[in-house]
Amino acid sequence: AQTVTQSQPEMSVQEAETVTLSCTYDTSESDYYLFWYKQPPSRQMILVIRQEAYKQQNATENRFSVNFQKAAKSFSLKISDSQLGDAAMYFCAYILWGEKLTFGTGTRLTIIP
Amino acid sequence: DGGITQSPKYLFRKEGQNVTLSCEQNLNHDAMYWYRQDPGQGLRLIYYSQIVNDFQKGDIAEGYSVSREKKESFPLTVTSAQKNPTAFYLCASSIQTGELFFGEGSRLTVL
Repeated sequence: AQTVTQSQPEMSVQEAETVTLSCTYDTSESDYYLFWYKQPPSRQMILVIRQEAYKQQNATENRFSVNFQKAAKSFSLKISDSQLGDAAMYFCAYILWGEKLTFGTGTRLTIIP
Repeated sequence: DGGITQSPKYLFRKEGQNVTLSCEQNLNHDAMYWYRQDPGQGLRLIYYSQIVNDFQKGDIAEGYSVSREKKESFPLTVTSAQKNPTAFYLCASSIQTGELFFGEGSRLTVL
């Protein structure tokens, strides 16, 4: 079974600084998708960024970018210019096409004003 | 607007009672999911359905039941057999590439 590991239960960053959240996963497949989801205090899950495993280029969405290392099975999220609204739980997730999504246990991000 | 609607947002139940959480989507997605989230923890899959009239157990299906009679609807029943039902429940639907779209969640508290 696929597993997703987020080794940082909590992280904090100064406002306007950069922070990187770690995620590793275990799979024997070559074609899959990876996601980062954000869960603010409102509890609704919001998609932050997605990466297709067949793409070598790292995905970027405004201040959010990933460092996808396929051979190392690593998928970290970098948040640049951190803002107070970025405070949330962040979940890494993996899915094999046609299968169910597997989530990590999450990283709680605190933004320090 | 397209999206996923869960109701109710808050629900209180006495021990021994069954309750049903509603999930409706107008995104025309084939697949739908129910997740459970406990405080400070990640999401655990209860049930999922990839097509009407078909569904599969997830990782923690015991004490729960679902139906999928319509594409738009995927209600979850928390039965009295569920030993610790107090939790936050999230419903989601997905497109073929696996990206999930979530509802706002339902918080169930057993008194």
